[in-house]
Amino acid sequence: GAGVSQSPRYKVAKRGQDVALRCDPISGHVSLFWYQQALGQGPEFLTYFQNEAQLDKSGLPSDRFFAERPEGSVSTLKIQRTQQEDSAVYLCASSLETSGSHNEQFFGPGTRLTVL
Amino acid sequence: RKEVEQDPGPFNVPEGATVAFNCTYSNSASQSFFWYRQDCRKEPKLLMSVYSSGNEDGRFTAQLNRASQYISLLIRDSKLSDSATYLCVVNKGRGGSNYKLTFGKGTLLTVNP
Repeated sequence: GAGVSQSPRYKVAKRGQDVALRCDPISGHVSLFWYQQALGQGPEFLTYFQNEAQLDKSGLPSDRFFAERPEGSVSTLKIQRTQQEDSAVYLCASSLETSGSHNEQFFGPGTRLTVL
Repeated sequence: RKEVEQDPGPFNVPEGATVAFNCTYSNSASQSFFWYRQDCRKEPKLLMSVYSSGNEDGRFTAQLNRASQYISLLIRDSKLSDSATYLCVVNKGRGGSNYKLTFGKGTLLTVNP
């Protein structure tokens, strides 16, 4: 079946531009996560949705970062006034549910953002 | 101190070698533990979960020591296709839920012919 998809796969932005990154989770997956992976580092948690509710946004680095999932399916991560330090791979992951034992998070291929 | 720390690597080993990865975590309340594999310019994929009793999947063996807050991964008879970055991952949830993954920096393994 189809996995998690993300678009665009690559994005080059000039400093100060706004960008929007899209994530299509696996159909029926309740939970959706965004992670940021800088070069040479492991992914770092940004934010988490359960259906349309954003239950944790503690990892968002600044108020320039905003995420939404209005209908509980597709999610968009928006970065306003991009800075060079925003350059990273943005990974989206989804899992079936949150409660009980661990539910595997399936990752999308990521969007590689380069801010010039 | 980082929440999850791994061997810095990189590891370069010949085919057939046995290689061990070590990881420590700082949050004693952590609930679940995993090893993920990430190929170059690809997304992370779950390799295996790690249990206190230890678990094995073919050539891969994972161990967890909660008292020492230590996790390990052993790869026996390494193959060229094992070349990848291995990420130690800890799950810490809020209010009993378990959703937020905390990743180590990763250790790059290159298996040479």
